[in-house]
Amino acid sequence: AQSVTQPDIHITVSEGASLELRCNYSYGATPYLFWYVQSPGQGLQLLLKYFSGDTLVQGIKGFEAEFKRSQSSFNLRKPSVHWSDAAEYFCAVTGGGNKLTFGTGTQLKVEL
Amino acid sequence: EAGVAQSPRYKIIEKRQSVAFWCNPISGHATLYWYQQILGQGPKLLIQFQNNGVVDDSQLPKDRFSAERLKGVDSTLKIQPAKLEDSAVYLCASSQQGSDGYTFGSGTRLTVV
Repeated sequence: AQSVTQPDIHITVSEGASLELRCNYSYGATPYLFWYVQSPGQGLQLLLKYFSGDTLVQGIKGFEAEFKRSQSSFNLRKPSVHWSDAAEYFCAVTGGGNKLTFGTGTQLKVEL
Repeated sequence: EAGVAQSPRYKIIEKRQSVAFWCNPISGHATLYWYQQILGQGPKLLIQFQNNGVVDDSQLPKDRFSAERLKGVDSTLKIQPAKLEDSAVYLCASSQQGSDGYTFGSGTRLTVV
């Protein structure tokens, strides 16, 4: 069965600092991987996705993620965090055409 | 392009009452999903439709939850009777192909008291 682990429940960074959110997945074949962001009271917005090809994926809002098969990881990064990035971030995996399995999320707080 | 529409946005009911949520997916999206997101957890799939047929309802508590997607467009999720542990945000999503990324609605926040 597919699963996703996000080890960090809460992360606090200063505005302008770099960010890395960790995601480890478990899936038997080649996974399709996603990062979503959720602001309070809002639905989930897709930041980026990986299906195949270049393992470094660029997304919206200046985010990027790197797929590392050997480490079963898909970590999300941003070089310089803005106060508006404060939200909850979810990593998800699917096998293609199937259900999305989400991690438990990482709550990001940005200090001004 | 209009997004996934859900209503109501908020609902408060007493335990043992019934409640229904409505979802209108993006036009042309054949696949529709209902997810349950309990506070502090990631969303969990309840049911997946392909057109008007059920693809996966393995995690739907069928003794109290039901869902339908008439004519392969709108969908309704019902809970009867509700329990305290059903308090959650219910998210609807749709996609053209399962691998392309889903579009989520804003969700319905249910509070059972």
